[in-house]
Amino acid sequence: NAGVTQTPKFQVLKTGQSMTLQCAQDMNHEYMSWYRQDPGMGLRLIHYSVGAGITDQGEVPNGYNVSRSTTEDFPLRLLSAAPSQTSVYFCASSYSSGWQGVHEQYFGPGTRLTVT
Amino acid sequence: RKEVEQDPGPFNVPEGATVAFNCTYSNSASQSFFWYRQDCRKEPKLLMSVYSSGNEDGRFTAQLNRASQYISLLIRDSKLSDSATYLCVVNPGTGFQKLVFGTGTRLLVSP
Repeated sequence: NAGVTQTPKFQVLKTGQSMTLQCAQDMNHEYMSWYRQDPGMGLRLIHYSVGAGITDQGEVPNGYNVSRSTTEDFPLRLLSAAPSQTSVYFCASSYSSGWQGVHEQYFGPGTRLTVT
Repeated sequence: RKEVEQDPGPFNVPEGATVAFNCTYSNSASQSFFWYRQDCRKEPKLLMSVYSSGNEDGRFTAQLNRASQYISLLIRDSKLSDSATYLCVVNPGTGFQKLVFGTGTRLLVSP
């Protein structure tokens, strides 16, 4: 299994440009999430999905869109890049079972985005 | 008060030392707790889950103190390869989307 994969690894955008960060998982996990990680701050949830066709906003959703047409894929779209979106973006997947509820988050390797 | 608080460190310890980190959380209804390890410029990876009073895995021991609302991570016989940032993650019990991540504690193990 490849686990969670993300592309690209690095990206530089100019202010106002748009782009899509790709995320895929091959573990058949129902839950998928996008986080951003900034210095001095914990990972913050951008958007998440509890299954194909179902998405919802996290803590910091502004400026981002997501969709989930399949269980495997969960792309993140930056609509009009701003310098404040310079960050490291992690996609994650997880699953739930029994009394333990949600299990660990499996993270992708991350995308380092710089917006100039 | 932050939902999850960690001492950022760095904790500088020699090989073979025992080191402990604490993590405090503010939501008394929190149900489950995790320690993740994050190497420099890499993704976080699960180190340990803490579902009851504690958990042990080899040199690593995690303990939960619900009365004082903190979890701890103890690393015995530190190795150079333990150098990393350790993230405390708390699930307030309202679904995976509400996981709260601490900012991490950095550990540096020296020869």
